[in-house]
Amino acid sequence: ETGVTQTPRHLVMGMTNKKSLKCEQHLGHNAMYWYKQSAKKPLELMFVYNFKEQTENNSVPSRFSPECPNSSHLFLHLHTLQPEDSALYLCASSQATGGEQYFGPGTRLTVT
Amino acid sequence: AQTVTQSQPEMSVQEAETVTLSCTYDTSENNYYLFWYKQPPSRQMILVIRQEAYKQQNATENRFSVNFQKAAKSFSLKISDSQLGDTAMYFCAFMNSNSGYALNFGKGTSLLVTP
Repeated sequence: ETGVTQTPRHLVMGMTNKKSLKCEQHLGHNAMYWYKQSAKKPLELMFVYNFKEQTENNSVPSRFSPECPNSSHLFLHLHTLQPEDSALYLCASSQATGGEQYFGPGTRLTVT
Repeated sequence: AQTVTQSQPEMSVQEAETVTLSCTYDTSENNYYLFWYKQPPSRQMILVIRQEAYKQQNATENRFSVNFQKAAKSFSLKISDSQLGDTAMYFCAFMNSNSGYALNFGKGTSLLVTP
């Protein structure tokens, strides 16, 4: 595996479900990011982790809970989501904050 | 707050022709980075080109080049000799320390390259 991978690629969940999105980077980077991409809106930053420490939380609702156990893995735990949370969730990584970011293929999330 | 504006929601160009995508941004900072990302229909976001604000020389990457006008806060992307594989959404993005070095994206321009 090379680059940035994300699983699952597609996820459908009910509003009462709990699920997790996974991101893994094979680039030796130290910074990882979660972005949300909704239709007809710019990509929105959600969280930034640098050396496993969260450095940015862009006013994201608490129903989204990130976890970064090490510099290679990033999770986004989801619970009691709303239909408006349906979107493409993109993970990215960079050598350091400020460096070029490399994106994963995204998880297409649908909340029913 | 930094904002990035892409005023062209959709554009089309014929194969082998040249097309320019526009991007303007708003910031009070002097040190920052600008990027163009490409997102083909498969959805994998790919970095096309990067420009450091302190560099006066415009960045180039093969058929892709930028026209960086710092005073005007303009950062356009020129694609020369367009190819069918250039069909994608193109996003302009801004980054600096005030944003925690995260990317601020524009809404994107959908480019269609036709035969």
